[in-house]
Amino acid sequence: GAGVSQSPSNKVTEKGKDVELRCDPISGHTALYWYRQSLGQGLEFLIYFQGNSAPDKSGLPSDRFSAERTGGSVSTLTIQRTQQEDSAVYLCASSSRVSSGANVLTFGAGSRLTVL
Amino acid sequence: AQSVTQLDSQVPVFEEAPVELRCNYSSSVSVYLFWYVQYPNQGLQLLLKYLSGSTLVESINGFEAEFNKSQTSFHLRKPSVHISDTAEYFCAGVSGGYQKVTFGTGTKLQVIP
Repeated sequence: GAGVSQSPSNKVTEKGKDVELRCDPISGHTALYWYRQSLGQGLEFLIYFQGNSAPDKSGLPSDRFSAERTGGSVSTLTIQRTQQEDSAVYLCASSSRVSSGANVLTFGAGSRLTVL
Repeated sequence: AQSVTQLDSQVPVFEEAPVELRCNYSSSVSVYLFWYVQYPNQGLQLLLKYLSGSTLVESINGFEAEFNKSQTSFHLRKPSVHISDTAEYFCAGVSGGYQKVTFGTGTKLQVIP
């Protein structure tokens, strides 16, 4: 697609429920990133995919968080047994590898998660 | 430890005044540095980037940043700000062999009429 698409744009859930957040990157972009943006916390790195593999999962806050990417395209971030502290905006970004090796990220609009 | 540090969480400045938003990076961060901007109720977008070559880089809307290796800094400057520059600005750098992009905590620029 023309841009990075994220769904849902807004999700309100009850504590303890599972949620799935979806990211559809720009066609042809091999790298995909998930970040969490909380009030006053800036952008917190969660996980990075190169193709379907995740070389760096170090940012996932707990084992309740998981992510996968299939076909080198769509990615799903799953949060199990949600807690109130999971409330945040979850941002997805994608990039193509350029010859210099530097990554310019294109961000989606984000999924705002509210856990009651 | 944070690889990219933004020292100021908020910067108020009067319209048409100059502004500098500070960013420092750790030595573990590769020399690829970026500034992203998030306007109110909008997504993040690239403002400017330093990859190599000239240490002074410019954006299309009058911002510039200078890569300073000796001071490990990449401060963002504009000689005269407009109301429309009100936004949150994030400094970012690439670290790790697999191109992990790390962001600072952001600086909110508030332009006062």
